[in-house]
Amino acid sequence: ETGVTQSPTHLIKTRGQQVTLRCSSQSGHNTVSWYQQALGQGPQFIFQYYREEENGRGNFPPRFSGLQFPNYSSELNVNALELDDSALYLCASSLEGRSTDTQYFGPGTRLTVL
Amino acid sequence: AQKVTQAQTEISVVEKEDVTLDCVYETRDTTYYLFWYKQPPSGELVFLIRRNSFDEQNEISGRYSWNFQKSTSSFNFTITASQVVDSAVYFCALRFTYKYIFGTGTRLKVLA
Repeated sequence: ETGVTQSPTHLIKTRGQQVTLRCSSQSGHNTVSWYQQALGQGPQFIFQYYREEENGRGNFPPRFSGLQFPNYSSELNVNALELDDSALYLCASSLEGRSTDTQYFGPGTRLTVL
Repeated sequence: AQKVTQAQTEISVVEKEDVTLDCVYETRDTTYYLFWYKQPPSGELVFLIRRNSFDEQNEISGRYSWNFQKSTSSFNFTITASQVVDSAVYFCALRFTYKYIFGTGTRLKVLA
């Protein structure tokens, strides 16, 4: 196990609702990245937080937002949910935000939007 | 553009057979990092290996081995004497600045 935890495990929402997903980093890691993995696809990068600041963002609309807290845990918020938001959401922590660091992934939250 | 291609969507083998998973990448960077992850049905991505662009030495870890060839932009993964527990989706990824770019994955089914 990586020591990265995510909650909840599963979630069902309806279109237009808002959702918050949570992630706790591996001990000592100050960088968290979030990915969306649609069924049958590879994970797609959403954004990364380093020391509580957004460090980079992928091609996701502003209704995908995040936070990182002083203890380096993190939240992913999605507003105005759409059917296509149904996916596995993975968070990954790494020691620092450097390109040399390996990212360690949590078990994911499976979101279903009806 | 940065890109990772895993052309094999699904592979089925019988237990104890050897199997190679292909990965081809594209990048203009001279320094880059490549990774392999395993995703069992539980969903968690399990880190297997990291390789930087300056180290083309092949690596072996137990039944796993990796062949990195810059000349063909490939980073292939071989499982020797496959086991049922190896059944999973395997992803190759390229580290580009702060993010990973993943391939679409190869589903490996090892039949008893």
